Amino acid sequence: DIQMAQSPSSLSASVGDRVTITCRASQSIITYLNWYQQKPGKAPNLLIFAASSLQSGVPSRFSGSGSGTDFTLTISSLQPEDFATYYCQQSYSFPYTFGQGTKLEI
Amino acid sequence: EMELVESGGGLVQPGGSLRLSCAASGLTFDLYWMNWVRQAPGKGLEWVANIKHDGSEKYYVDSVKGRFTISRDNAKNSLYLQLISLRADDTAMYYCATTVGPDGFNIWGQGTMVTVSS
Repeated sequence: DIQMAQSPSSLSASVGDRVTITCRASQSIITYLNWYQQKPGKAPNLLIFAASSLQSGVPSRFSGSGSGTDFTLTISSLQPEDFATYYCQQSYSFPYTFGQGTKLEI
Repeated sequence: EMELVESGGGLVQPGGSLRLSCAASGLTFDLYWMNWVRQAPGKGLEWVANIKHDGSEKYYVDSVKGRFTISRDNAKNSLYLQLISLRADDTAMYYCATTVGPDGFNIWGQGTMVTVSS
């Protein structure tokens, strides 16, 4: 199985900050990497698919990059509604696997 | 509007069984792979299983193999997950999810809670 390691596990930031979250796969997944945002009590919401493609309706302050084993999610200017938990997920092979999550706090 | 609605969760004793359902609307159900993803209280997301659009392929995470069975009824636009031999560590919110588009789970249900406890 492909292991996904996210860092950091938690992050304190302020409105307006630029934030980067990293995800590393245990083997190459090319660009089969997706990013989700989850708020308490809600289902996850897809932000980025195929490493760098912005899902329809997601604000342009979110961006993704990377290929192979190393990926990043960047939020260019944090807004109050961005404080949530973020997960990466590989869709390269079964079983699909998620990172452990990054909790973004004020 | 595309929507997934789960049902069937509840409190069950260790060793017990449950059948979860996921009803789809607003999408052409028989075109898409369908997935179950779970989340234990306070924990991260874990992909559980998926099934091809025609039911011909099924995949599971190792921890549920032999205990959980995924199935679908395209005539009823419904996805199912049969859970047997339940354990305390199966306690979680169970979501159904699918990919309508290039990649990533962009359609999720609201989840159904399964609690395994005596």
